[in-house]
Amino acid sequence: SQTIHQWPATLVQPVGSPLSLECTVEGTSNPNLYWYRQAAGRGLQLLFYSVGIGQISSEVPQNLSASRPQDRQFILSSKKLLLSDSGFYLCAWSWGAGQPQHFGDGTRLSIL
Amino acid sequence: GQQLNQSPQSMFIQEGEDVSMNCTSSSIFNTWLWYKQDPGEGPVLLIALYKAGELTSNGRLTAQFGITRKDSFLNISASIPSDVGIYFCAGPGGANNLFFGTGTRLTVIP
Repeated sequence: SQTIHQWPATLVQPVGSPLSLECTVEGTSNPNLYWYRQAAGRGLQLLFYSVGIGQISSEVPQNLSASRPQDRQFILSSKKLLLSDSGFYLCAWSWGAGQPQHFGDGTRLSIL
Repeated sequence: GQQLNQSPQSMFIQEGEDVSMNCTSSSIFNTWLWYKQDPGEGPVLLIALYKAGELTSNGRLTAQFGITRKDSFLNISASIPSDVGIYFCAGPGGANNLFFGTGTRLTVIP
């Protein structure tokens, strides 16, 4: 069976510091991978998705970037965090376009 | 752009009551998905619907794919406290992603 792991679960960072959140998927190959952000009490905002190694599509302009160095590894990064980057970050995978997505447990990011 | 409207936005119900929520789209979908998100966790897939008119159950949950293909419904029977959470509908959007609704927040009062 497939599993998805995100870490860390929570993170407190000062404004201006760098960020690296990691997501890995096990039990499948060549999945579509996604990064979402969820503000408190709000819906899911798609940030990035990837259909293969080195392929990244950005959905919204922002202070963040994503990379996929390996087939089942997806990384969300920032060089300098802003207060507005606070939120709940979720990684997800799917078999392909239009298929159900399966989410990790999320990372709660607080910027001070 | 694509819009998914969920209603109601929030619900407060007594334990044991039945729950109904729906999701409407501005365009036709060929797949409808329903997720539940517990506080502090990622959404979990509850039910997937792939055919107009399809009615699918998962325990006390029942979801239907509307015949117009622009809407879907989720019902929860005999609610219990662990049903608390946010329920999201979703459908295919763009080249490789899903559109998610704005969510229905359910509170169950023991």
